[in-house]
Parts: sequence; C-alpha cells; structure tokens
Amino acid sequence: AQTVTQSQPEMSVQEAETVTLSCTYDTSESDYYLFWYKQPPSRQMILVIRQEAYKQQNATENRFSVNFQKAAKSFSLKISDSQLGDAAMYFCAYRRDQGAQKLVFGQGTRLTINP
Amino acid sequence: DGGITQSPKYLFRKEGQNVTLSCEQNLNHDAMYWYRQDPGQGLRLIYYSQIVNDFQKGDIAEGYSVSREKKESFPLTVTSAQKNPTAFYLCASSPLDSGRVYEQFFGPGTRLTVL
Repeated sequence: AQTVTQSQPEMSVQEAETVTLSCTYDTSESDYYLFWYKQPPSRQMILVIRQEAYKQQNATENRFSVNFQKAAKSFSLKISDSQLGDAAMYFCAYRRDQGAQKLVFGQGTRLTINP
Repeated sequence: DGGITQSPKYLFRKEGQNVTLSCEQNLNHDAMYWYRQDPGQGLRLIYYSQIVNDFQKGDIAEGYSVSREKKESFPLTVTSAQKNPTAFYLCASSPLDSGRVYEQFFGPGTRLTVL
C-alpha cells in the first residue's frame, strides 16, 4: 500500500520569507499524481498545486512551487514571499494513475506565519 | 454557485445511536468520497463511489455505511458499531475522465461528537 509521510508537524516562517515543507512517499507504481492541499482554520480543503509523476518539470503556481524528486520519492512544497493568509495545515497527497481516484494523505504540517 | 454542501456543520450523538451525515454536490461529478480527519492525522478514506448504486470500502470502512441512489448525493451513516466516531468528516467529489487528472473538491465538513 502507498504511504505518505510529512516529517514536520509544525513549521514557522517570517512574513515575506520563503519556507519549504517536506513530503516523502512510498509506492511501487511508476505513474501517479501528487498534490498539496491547504486547510486554513475554516477547515475547507483547498488544492494548492499538483504534479504528474511522468512530468520532469516541477509544477509552479504563483508563489507556490514544488521540488519533485521521483527517484528519491520526495515532493516538497516551497512557498515564496510568505503571507499571513498562508497560515494553515498543509497536506501532501498521493493518487495512483490507474483505478479509483482515491487520495492517500500525509499527516499534515501546521504552518505559522510570523508578522 | 456550484459546490459541495455538508450538513449539519456540528452533530452530537449519544452512544448507541446511528447518525447520518449529508453530502450533496451540484458539480455534476461522477465520483464522491468520504474522509475522516482526526487530530494529528491526515485524512483517511472511509468509502468512495464512482457511479450511482455502486461504492467501495476505503481504508477505515468498519462501522460506517453509505448509499449512492443519486449522482449528486452520497450520505454517510455512522453506526453504533463504530467504536470511536468523534471526528471531523469531509466529503469530496471529482469528475472521472480517463486520461486526465482531476483534483478532488471538498465540502466544508461535519464535526461529529459522541456524548
């Protein structure tokens, strides 16, 4: 079974600085998809960014980018120019390419932004 | 506005009672999912459905039941057999289209507390 591990339960960063959240996963599949979701205090889950495993290029979405290392099974999220609104729980998630589109989530990292 | 609604937002249950959590979507998505979220843990899949009148168990289905009589509705029943039902429950949906990756869209969640 696939597993996703986020080794940082909590992280903090100064406003306007850059922070990187770590995620590793375990799978025997060659094709799959990876996601970062954000859960603010409202508890609404919001997609931040996605990465297809077959793509070598790292995904970017404005201030959010990933460092996808397929061989190392690592998928870190970098947030540049951190803003107060970025404070939230961040979850890394994995999805197989074939079969049901269910997600396997990591334990989450709580990100605090210091003004 | 299109989206996913869950009701109620807060639910209290006495031990030994069954309760049903509602999830409705007007996004015309084929697939729907139920996740459970506990403190310090990521989301865990309870049940999912890819088509009306069909559903599959997720990783923690014991003590739960679902139905999918309509495309837009996927209610979750927490039965008295669920030993520790106090948790935050999230419903999600996504399109199904082979060859493309779609994110899962989440509802606002239901907080269930057993008294």
